[in-house]
Amino acid sequence: GEDVEQSLFLSVREGDSSVINCTYTDSSSTYLYWYKQEPGAGLQLLTYIFSNMDMKQDQRLTVLLNKKDKHLSLRIADTQTGDSAIYFCAESISDDSGYSTLTFGKGTMLLVSP
Amino acid sequence: DGGITQSPKYLFRKEGQNVTLSCEQNLNHDAMYWYRQDPGQGLRLIYYSQIVNDFQKGDIAEGYSVSREKKESFPLTVTSAQKNPTAFYLCASSNLGLKNSPLHFGNGTRLTVT
Repeated sequence: GEDVEQSLFLSVREGDSSVINCTYTDSSSTYLYWYKQEPGAGLQLLTYIFSNMDMKQDQRLTVLLNKKDKHLSLRIADTQTGDSAIYFCAESISDDSGYSTLTFGKGTMLLVSP
Repeated sequence: DGGITQSPKYLFRKEGQNVTLSCEQNLNHDAMYWYRQDPGQGLRLIYYSQIVNDFQKGDIAEGYSVSREKKESFPLTVTSAQKNPTAFYLCASSNLGLKNSPLHFGNGTRLTVT
């Protein structure tokens, strides 16, 4: 099956930038996603990028995509304690019938200290 | 407000019993999904459904069953055949009308089987 790999843990100080990295394997993925999960809750869509884009910026969030290396990153500027959560990278995969599902990485736990 | 409702939030069962987790959405989404999350793991796809009365197995369907009698509802039954049922279960939906539309998640049900 396809794999999405992420580092498991990142610790930063409040006000610093955070960069969470992800590698994926399916070169035919058309969309790549970043989700945030707070303790005991479901996943919240943060942002996504189409595979023909290199970069997408949305307020404090910047997504960079290197399609050649199949590498995706999420940069959070001016990280706040409220950003502490688990961040999941996901790629869209189409099955034999053409239906799309998402394959997720194991998640990166971001801890922001004051 | 539109959204996905999973109930109950916490569920306790004895080993050997079947248990059904509820998932309802009022987003008018065509597709619905069930994922399982274990500590330190990513999300693994159990079942998904693109239209009413049709569903497909995901990566870890063994020991689970689903039905899709209504567009709004996609209940998941964890059967006694599931060897390791204790986990956090997440339901999601997406709008097939938008190509590769992102998944919207419910807040999850934490199932504990003893």
